[in-house]
Amino acid sequence: KQEVTQIPAALSVPEGENLVLNCSFTDSAIYNLQWFRQDPGKGLTSLLLIQSSQREQTSGRLNASLDKSSGRSTLYIAASQPGDSATYLCAVHRGYNKLIFGAGTRLAVHP
Amino acid sequence: ETGVTQTPRHLVMGMTNKKSLKCEQHLGHNAMYWYKQSAKKPLELMFVYSLEERVENNSVPSRFSPECPNSSHLFLHLHTLQPEDSALYLCASSPTGGQTQYFGPGTRLLVL
Repeated sequence: KQEVTQIPAALSVPEGENLVLNCSFTDSAIYNLQWFRQDPGKGLTSLLLIQSSQREQTSGRLNASLDKSSGRSTLYIAASQPGDSATYLCAVHRGYNKLIFGAGTRLAVHP
Repeated sequence: ETGVTQTPRHLVMGMTNKKSLKCEQHLGHNAMYWYKQSAKKPLELMFVYSLEERVENNSVPSRFSPECPNSSHLFLHLHTLQPEDSALYLCASSPTGGQTQYFGPGTRLLVL
């Protein structure tokens, strides 16, 4: 059974810091991995999708890496801003459109 | 906005009530999903519809009944719910076989 774990569960940092959020999964037979952002009481916004054959994806200040063999992904946020405060969710695609989510990392960036 | 809308945004119901959640997508997708997000638990996939046919039912109790009348609309009919069913219910859509799912804002449900 695929399990997805995210560490840390919560993180509070001052503005400007570079951050690393971690995601691990137990079964390396995945189609791809996706990082989402969720603001309080809102739906999910897709940030980055990494195909199983890729090692990383970048979008602006965000960079996500994938190491299938070790069952790990990291989301790197450069020069964090208060607007980055949200919950970040990692999900692996397994099977027909089946997403398995981690519990998320709750990030607070204070001025 | 993501192109996926959900109504109502908030719902309070008693355990004997019957209510329905509605999801509509304006993205031309053929697959739609219901997820449940409880406090401090990962999102759980409930149902998947592809081309208006249910392709996944993740052992969801029968008090939750989905309906997909067409590729743009998805409903979740609720009856005799329990307090532990209180959660954020999220709808998503994607192209058939597509990999990126687009989520709605969710319905916050409270069962008293």
